[in-house]
Amino acid sequence: EPEVTQTPSHQVTQMGQEVILRCVPISNHLYFYWYRQILGQKVEFLVSFYNNEISEKSEIFDDQFSVERPDGSNFTLKIRSTKLEDSAMYFCASITRDRGIGSQETQYFGPGTRLLVL
Amino acid sequence: GDSVTQMEGPVTLSEEAFLTINCTYTATGYPSLFWYVQYPGEGLQLLLKATKADDKGSNKGFEATYRKETTSFHLEKGSVQVSDSAVYFCALSLYSSASKIIFGSGTRLSIRP
Repeated sequence: EPEVTQTPSHQVTQMGQEVILRCVPISNHLYFYWYRQILGQKVEFLVSFYNNEISEKSEIFDDQFSVERPDGSNFTLKIRSTKLEDSAMYFCASITRDRGIGSQETQYFGPGTRLLVL
Repeated sequence: GDSVTQMEGPVTLSEEAFLTINCTYTATGYPSLFWYVQYPGEGLQLLLKATKADDKGSNKGFEATYRKETTSFHLEKGSVQVSDSAVYFCALSLYSSASKIIFGSGTRLSIRP
């Protein structure tokens, strides 16, 4: 069964450093997402991406964050200058997008990257 | 705004007990509803879903029915196992909002042998 993959599985970085989290969505999917989960808290939407541009972003997704699909397979989340509060599990997800009301879309999540900012 | 509210945990049950985890939602449109499960140290897995009113999603013995009149999507299982110990997230998505998923706060379930 096709799956979303993410690398690295764990990353430790110093505050102020840039990090890039990588995701390979399922190959025929068109919409891509990043979510984060601070330890012990709910999963929060960060950003959605379609047709090489951001579709929607949350208040969390400020100027320190950016996303990119540099080639036909990877989807990246960059944090320019990490803060302690960026420590979280980051999940990538993707869907196809069946048109029509009540479409059967299902988001498939990757296993996550656990980011620790020291 | 759109939101999901689910019962707070942790919930601790004995093996073979009946499980209910309550979930209600608020949405401006016609959401799809989901239950995701997160096993210790792992990512999010879709457990079941329902895309319209009165639909019943089911998987691995778990069931949930989309109740529009009560805006609920309660998760049930007739006989839980130790392997069901995990965190369960109720969630919704709206086609009109780029299908982002809005999650509830999660309910930690622990099953005693």
